[in-house]
Amino acid sequence: ETGVTQTPRHLVMGMTNKKSLKCEQHLGHNAMYWYKQSAKKPLELMFVYNFKEQTENNSVPSRFSPECPNSSHLFLHLHTLQPEDSALYLCASSQEGRGQWEQFFGPGTRLTVL
Amino acid sequence: RKEVEQDPGPFNVPEGATVAFNCTYSNSASQSFFWYRQDCRKEPKLLMSVYSSGNEDGRFTAQLNRASQYISLLIRDSKLSDSATYLCAVIQSSGDKLTFGTGTRLAVRP
Repeated sequence: ETGVTQTPRHLVMGMTNKKSLKCEQHLGHNAMYWYKQSAKKPLELMFVYNFKEQTENNSVPSRFSPECPNSSHLFLHLHTLQPEDSALYLCASSQEGRGQWEQFFGPGTRLTVL
Repeated sequence: RKEVEQDPGPFNVPEGATVAFNCTYSNSASQSFFWYRQDCRKEPKLLMSVYSSGNEDGRFTAQLNRASQYISLLIRDSKLSDSATYLCAVIQSSGDKLTFGTGTRLAVRP
């Protein structure tokens, strides 16, 4: 299934590195999301973009910086991360107006911060 | 109290067994409820929505109990392929985001 794609699938970075995660959705949706999934914790919503505008930022540290250039692309820029930021980062999309509940997830980027 | 709470399991059951999971939510004004399935090292996928009247899809039945603020998922005649983590998700009263539980892990053995 290639509705929502994410790259890279795996990323190892040092605390001083800068990297970016990319998400692309091919479903014609107009809302996109970043989630963080850590072991034994629920999925944590980080950012929401509706119609390319950020509508929610759940108190995410500034070392995570989202960018949404258009309704089908979403980036998460990372810099000076901490080891506790190691997690699976999931992108999702949905169609506003049909009910935000049906979110389609990408395969995720498994991030390890050394 | 957590917004959405699930027993993490794991639930270890033999093939053919019936197994049920519950998920409690704290906000009595919550509007919409869902079950997602997440396979190991994969992304969550919507399994089914949970309607007030309850709904069934093959071997899976989802129910909502508003009075006690929980939703349930019943799986009949378990298959090996049902082994996964089952996440419940709730839309809060504002209706603008999904809140997930930690998930319940199911392991079906031969």
